[in-house]
Amino acid sequence: AQSVTQLDSHVSVSEGTPVLLRCNYSSSYSPSLFWYVQHPNKGLQLLLKYTSAATLVKGINGFEAEFKKSETSFHLTKPSAHMSDAAEYFCVVSERAGTYKYIFGTGTRLKVLA
Amino acid sequence: DAGVIQSPRHEVTEMGQEVTLRCKPISGHDYLFWYRQTMMRGLELLIYFNNNVPIDDSGMPEDRFSAKMPNASFSTLKIQPSEPRDSAVYFCASSLFGTDTQYFGPGTRLTVL
Repeated sequence: AQSVTQLDSHVSVSEGTPVLLRCNYSSSYSPSLFWYVQHPNKGLQLLLKYTSAATLVKGINGFEAEFKKSETSFHLTKPSAHMSDAAEYFCVVSERAGTYKYIFGTGTRLKVLA
Repeated sequence: DAGVIQSPRHEVTEMGQEVTLRCKPISGHDYLFWYRQTMMRGLELLIYFNNNVPIDDSGMPEDRFSAKMPNASFSTLKIQPSEPRDSAVYFCASSLFGTDTQYFGPGTRLTVL
């Protein structure tokens, strides 16, 4: 069975400092992994996707994530936070057995302090 | 490019009324998903379609909820009768066969008084 655990429900960083949002997954199959961002009162926007082509995945707005199979982790990072990064971030796993169903993490709310 | 389109964006109704939410997927996409988001339960998959056919409706909470996809460019989620506990944001998403990336609409915020 698949599952996703986002280790922090809230993260606060100062503007200009690095961001680390942590995600661990469990999957019986070779998974696809995603990070989505949701700004207040908006839909979910795809940040990046891992599909086994490369373990370090670059996304939009300067975000990247590294797939570590040995640690079953897919943490999201950004070198320097911007005020506009304040939002909720969801880690998602998709089973590649043909169902195309997503399993969502519970979300991490990122707060960026001026 | 138009993304996933949902209407209405906001809906306020009274308990017992029928509510219909609408979704237009991205053109050419053959999977369509309906989700519900609440503070208590997070994001839940309600139902998904492939080529207009419902594949998995195990997330539909009860018989008051129904979903249809009469053609490749339109889907509805209906709640009849509505109850206050149905208040949530409802998202529609679509994807293309062979990829597993879902693209989300802006959501419909439903408030049932």
